[in-house]
Amino acid sequence: DGGITQSPKYLFRKEGQNVTLSCEQNLNHDAMYWYRQDPGQGLRLIYYSQIVNDFQKGDIAEGYSVSREKKESFPLTVTSAQKNPTAFYLCASRPLGGRSGANVLTFGAGSRLTVL
Amino acid sequence: GENVEQHPSTLSVQEGDSAVIKCTYSDSASNYFPWYKQELGKRPQLIIDIRSNVGEKKDQRIAVTLNKTAKHFSLHITETQPEDSAVYFCAAGRLGNQFYFGTGTSLTVIP
Repeated sequence: DGGITQSPKYLFRKEGQNVTLSCEQNLNHDAMYWYRQDPGQGLRLIYYSQIVNDFQKGDIAEGYSVSREKKESFPLTVTSAQKNPTAFYLCASRPLGGRSGANVLTFGAGSRLTVL
Repeated sequence: GENVEQHPSTLSVQEGDSAVIKCTYSDSASNYFPWYKQELGKRPQLIIDIRSNVGEKKDQRIAVTLNKTAKHFSLHITETQPEDSAVYFCAAGRLGNQFYFGTGTSLTVIP
């Protein structure tokens, strides 16, 4: 039950504050993803990265930012511009190319953000 | 991009009965269709997947079928057990690219 670690598990934020969610993996996976999970809306892609120092917007990137300075790390910043940030955030990773397990997402345990 | 629709959103079955969850996709170039299971309070985990060159795949009590012409795929769970209770997500995409998830089905197996 390891490999990809998210922290913190629970986070409370006041309106107008930026917060950063951590995601670290020791699986040597190339690609990393951030999803937002809301009841009845499934998993919606925020950002993803397939290589260090490169990342792409997903379907709901507005109000979020990411960085990929190391292969192991893909932190997500929820900015004050995100209008409805209260949600459950899931980080995931997977190998690419012909490597074993390519296309299988490994998820973290998630971070629940509540804006007060 | 891809648009994945999933039905039903909730499903209750008696223990021992079968459960079927259906998904449709819009991008005819999608060639990979995984299913993830998320038990309460846990992370999603892959339970089965299928590629577009295959019409059906089975793994014990679960099976997935794919109809490329109609652009729909389904998850079938036979002889359901209480531990099958969870939220199930379908997804579609192209191998090597990102996937697009459906909205999830909350399955309850009644003992």
